[in-house]
Amino acid sequence: DQQVKQNSPSLSVQEGRISILNCDYTNSMFDYFLWYKKYPAEGPTFLISISSIKDKNEDGRFTVFLNKSAKHLSLHIVPSQPGDSAVYFCAASDRGSRLTFGEGTQLTVNP
Amino acid sequence: GAGVSQSPSNKVTEKGKDVELRCDPISGHTALYWYRQSLGQGLEFLIYFQGNSAPDKSGLPSDRFSAERTGGSVSTLTIQRTQQEDSAVYLCASSPSRVEGSPLHFGNGTRLTVT
Repeated sequence: DQQVKQNSPSLSVQEGRISILNCDYTNSMFDYFLWYKKYPAEGPTFLISISSIKDKNEDGRFTVFLNKSAKHLSLHIVPSQPGDSAVYFCAASDRGSRLTFGEGTQLTVNP
Repeated sequence: GAGVSQSPSNKVTEKGKDVELRCDPISGHTALYWYRQSLGQGLEFLIYFQGNSAPDKSGLPSDRFSAERTGGSVSTLTIQRTQQEDSAVYLCASSPSRVEGSPLHFGNGTRLTVT
């Protein structure tokens, strides 16, 4: 039972353009959502988060949008840079319990 | 400052052998998690320690897997009688408290290969 799903295993964009990574969830009890970035041979690193009481959170080039009615969140990166190339994981938690992760999306930003 | 440290970084073992994976969390972090990532898969939750509470073991895939956390700090994940399907990257993470406002800090993982 995959409660957090990232349906796109990969995404390729040109440098300077917008990257949009999507994530869907099924558990309506999830109330906190995070995005992590992972480079090869390294552990995931925290990128940005959003509480269910908000619908948008912005941090520099990164913005996360939450649509609770659709149980959907997205990460926007603009402008995209080659150094953003990594695997991006969406994660969710239920009242501070363990994080449930999606399968990840490999983002490639081409120079 | 030191991050989450995991050892060994790589482990190759024969099927049927036992292995121990170690995690040193960030000092002062009360929450500690073990996840694993199999090839081409997402992060699969294994076990969660929070302070002195009983651990959440609901993600352990079989009774061959166990974990302990001594003194609220170092944790060891033990896999007995390893099988080839146990091959994965095992990731440890810690956080100061609960998830909100204190995202998990991950180590670089232990890549386990069972031959």
